[in-house]
Amino acid sequence: GDSVTQMEGPVTLSEEAFLTINCTYTATGYPSLFWYVQYPGEGLQLLLKATKADDKGSNKGFEATYRKETTSFHLEKGSVQVSDSAVYFCALILGRGYQKVTFGIGTKLQVIP
Amino acid sequence: NAGVMQNPRHLVRRRGQEARLRCSPMKGHSHVYWYRQLPEEGLKFMVYLQKENIIDESGMPKERFSAEFPKEGPSILRIQQVVRGDSAAYFCASSPRDGYQETQYFGPGTRLLVL
Repeated sequence: GDSVTQMEGPVTLSEEAFLTINCTYTATGYPSLFWYVQYPGEGLQLLLKATKADDKGSNKGFEATYRKETTSFHLEKGSVQVSDSAVYFCALILGRGYQKVTFGIGTKLQVIP
Repeated sequence: NAGVMQNPRHLVRRRGQEARLRCSPMKGHSHVYWYRQLPEEGLKFMVYLQKENIIDESGMPKERFSAEFPKEGPSILRIQQVVRGDSAAYFCASSPRDGYQETQYFGPGTRLLVL
């Protein structure tokens, strides 16, 4: 079945450090790929998405590129801030008449001043 | 426009009791999804509902679990005779339409603890 594998956390970085959170997927078709973020005490928010190979999703300084050849969608940010501390979920949807999101386990990021 | 509301945020039940989790979708949204997050795991799809219809319940356990989304009022996820293994965070999401291009908006979740 469809699955998403992302690096286990927690990830602890100093402010202004470079961030990479790895994500790879397994799917029987051509999925759309997503990153969601969950801040403490809140629901998940869509951070960025890419719907086809080589697309780059970007938002709030974060970006991720849909790599079909390596089945990956790694999340990157050049300079993290304390306010980026949250749990990040990689996810996929296979095109159907409705959404049925498959999530990774989530990676907790802690940014220290 | 208020976001997706879930209540209660925290729920404690003893084994054998019933748990009722409520989800009010965003205004104008008629599609609701429920997900469960077990400790140390990712979110897993449980059920997809439209108003008065269950469209896909393939992720929901066959016994003790049920879901509804009535014409009026919130969507309800009901767990009968809870067991310790039901302890998890339950998230609800809504969207205005179906289709894989539609963004799902998530609620803050209900943390269920079964003693």
